[in-house]
Amino acid sequence: DAGVIQSPRHEVTEMGQEVTLRCKPISGHNSLFWYRQTMMRGLELLIYFNNNVPIDDSGMPEDRFSAKMPNASFSTLKIQPSEPRDSAVYFCASTPLGTFSYNEQFFGPGTRLTVL
Amino acid sequence: AQSVSQHNHHVILSEAASLELGCNYSYGGTVNLFWYVQYPGQHLQLLLKYFSGDPLVKGIKGFEAEFIKSKFSFNLRKPSVQWSDTAEYFCAVLDTGRRALTFGSGTRLQVQP
Repeated sequence: DAGVIQSPRHEVTEMGQEVTLRCKPISGHNSLFWYRQTMMRGLELLIYFNNNVPIDDSGMPEDRFSAKMPNASFSTLKIQPSEPRDSAVYFCASTPLGTFSYNEQFFGPGTRLTVL
Repeated sequence: AQSVSQHNHHVILSEAASLELGCNYSYGGTVNLFWYVQYPGQHLQLLLKYFSGDPLVKGIKGFEAEFIKSKFSFNLRKPSVQWSDTAEYFCAVLDTGRRALTFGSGTRLQVQP
């Protein structure tokens, strides 16, 4: 299994540009999570999906951020317009959806975003 | 809302020294606790997890953690660290309602050869 796949691994863009981060969860996993990691705030949950449906987006910082999961094997996190304070490492994680048990979240390698 | 506190932000040890990293949580529901490790330039990997049962949990690479309910703690331990244990360690609690993890701020461990 290839694990959680994220692209790009690194992104450098200028303020005001649109940024799209991509994630492919592990096959068969139907919960997907987007996290952001910064020095100041550590690891924060932005949004998560169960069966392609957004369940909790309370961590999304503002309307400039949006996330979609059009199918079970693909999700995007979009920032439009981007700002320097969005610079961070963005992680995607997936896990099987269990009713009475929790399974480990498997993390992707992350996308390091730098907004100039 | 739940929270996780990791009091040691940066720990420097020599090889073969014993390690204990503190983690305290604040959560009113059923507690599911985790320790993740992030090696330099890599993604997070699960070290160990606690759901129920034996409060002493064994993980990979010789790590263990003890859940002490009365102290709201889940400290990570290793009897003898190696240079390869240099990494950042994150404690996390699962919000069973939201099914999402809340992470502590992390502890950067540096092991000197």
